[in-house]
Amino acid sequence: EAGVTQFPSHSVIEKGQTVTLRCDPISGHDNLYWYRRVMGKEIKFLLHFVKESKQDESGMPNNRFLAERTGGTYSTLKVQPAELEDSGVYFCASSQDNGDGYTFGSGTRLTVV
Amino acid sequence: QKEVEQNSGPLSVPEGAIASLNCTYSDRVSQSFFWYRQYSGKSPELIMSIYSNGDKEDGRFTAQLNKASQYVSLLIRDSQPSDSATYLCAVGHFGNEKLTFGTGTRLTIIP
Repeated sequence: EAGVTQFPSHSVIEKGQTVTLRCDPISGHDNLYWYRRVMGKEIKFLLHFVKESKQDESGMPNNRFLAERTGGTYSTLKVQPAELEDSGVYFCASSQDNGDGYTFGSGTRLTVV
Repeated sequence: QKEVEQNSGPLSVPEGAIASLNCTYSDRVSQSFFWYRQYSGKSPELIMSIYSNGDKEDGRFTAQLNKASQYVSLLIRDSQPSDSATYLCAVGHFGNEKLTFGTGTRLTIIP
């Protein structure tokens, strides 16, 4: 089975620009998560979708971040406008409804300059 | 106090020896515990999950959980150079909700 796919793998943008990250979960996985790792820090939760609904968005840092999952398939995470502190690796993960852990994507490394 | 604490390492272990990785967590209502392995520049890969007190073995890996002490560990037997990676401890309340990660322990297996 195909894994969790994220793109782009790398993105370098200027402060103030907009970037959209995409995640395609494993087919059939209703749960989709976004996490972020800032350099030197732990991986931190951003939000959790169940199908197309936001189950928990308590980790979203501010209103410059917008996540969507139209139709309960792929998800996008938009950062607008980007700030320097948004730099990091953004991971997407998906899981079935059996509580047996996630499968992570390879991440998008975002650099804001 | 961090919610999930791990020794950042690096932890160096000779090839063939047992590597022991430790993790403590602060939230007493945590119910699910995971160990992920992450190679440099790659995605975290789930290697073990544990939900009940005691030991859980899978091949060369054994996870140990002690909820009273709020402690979870990972033992790797017969360590191989391919085990060199960062090991992330993750804790959750329920299997499908958000996980809280530690910063990871960097393990190096010395041939």
